[in-house]
Amino acid sequence: DAMVIQNPRYQVTQFGKPVTLSCSQTLNHNVMYWYQQKSSQAPKLLFHYYDKDFNNEADTPDNFQSRRPNTSFCFLDIRSPGLGDAAMYLCATSRESALDWVGEQFFGPGTRLTVL
Amino acid sequence: AQTVTQSQPEMSVQEAETVTLSCTYDTSESNYYLFWYKQPPSRQMILVIRQEAYKQQNATENRFSVNFQKAAKSFSLKISDSQLGDTAMYFCAFMSWKDSSYKLIFGSGTRLLVRP
Repeated sequence: DAMVIQNPRYQVTQFGKPVTLSCSQTLNHNVMYWYQQKSSQAPKLLFHYYDKDFNNEADTPDNFQSRRPNTSFCFLDIRSPGLGDAAMYLCATSRESALDWVGEQFFGPGTRLTVL
Repeated sequence: AQTVTQSQPEMSVQEAETVTLSCTYDTSESNYYLFWYKQPPSRQMILVIRQEAYKQQNATENRFSVNFQKAAKSFSLKISDSQLGDTAMYFCAFMSWKDSSYKLIFGSGTRLLVRP
């Protein structure tokens, strides 16, 4: 089945130690999103890639960066995690074009990040 | 700026009964999309139902239906014949074209418990 996959599902890191979360998709969608979701809160968009074009949200801290080496994969890098970065990180995809818009975002299961 | 408000942090319903989750939003745009997403405990977020603002007819998907009141900017979700598997966090979300992409804005969520 076509899907959005996130690895690992659980990640523990130390304060200040860089960490990378990964997302892959078999949907062949051209847009990929990263959200941060803290406990009992709504997901908050960090940034997204439209094809190869990176779009950062204005309030996303510089500590968060992303890479998209190809259509299928997208990475979230946290350069120096702080205690406040502990959260669930959700990856989502969608297909957008002038002729064809899916109209929804498909989410992965998330990676729960713990910062010690 | 668009905002989405879910005024019911938690709700409870008896199995087989009907429950309605409320959502209001604020926007000055005329063309947009509305969604209800379901996030079960420790599982990924999935789309329940979507509504295009230009459509007057309320969307339905099996046991799920919406009451879309565009003038009142209201978008409630009705779940009929509630099942134990409906227990989840439900997010109302607004989407419009902004900054060269479609972006989802989520409400704070309603936690629904279906009691046996």
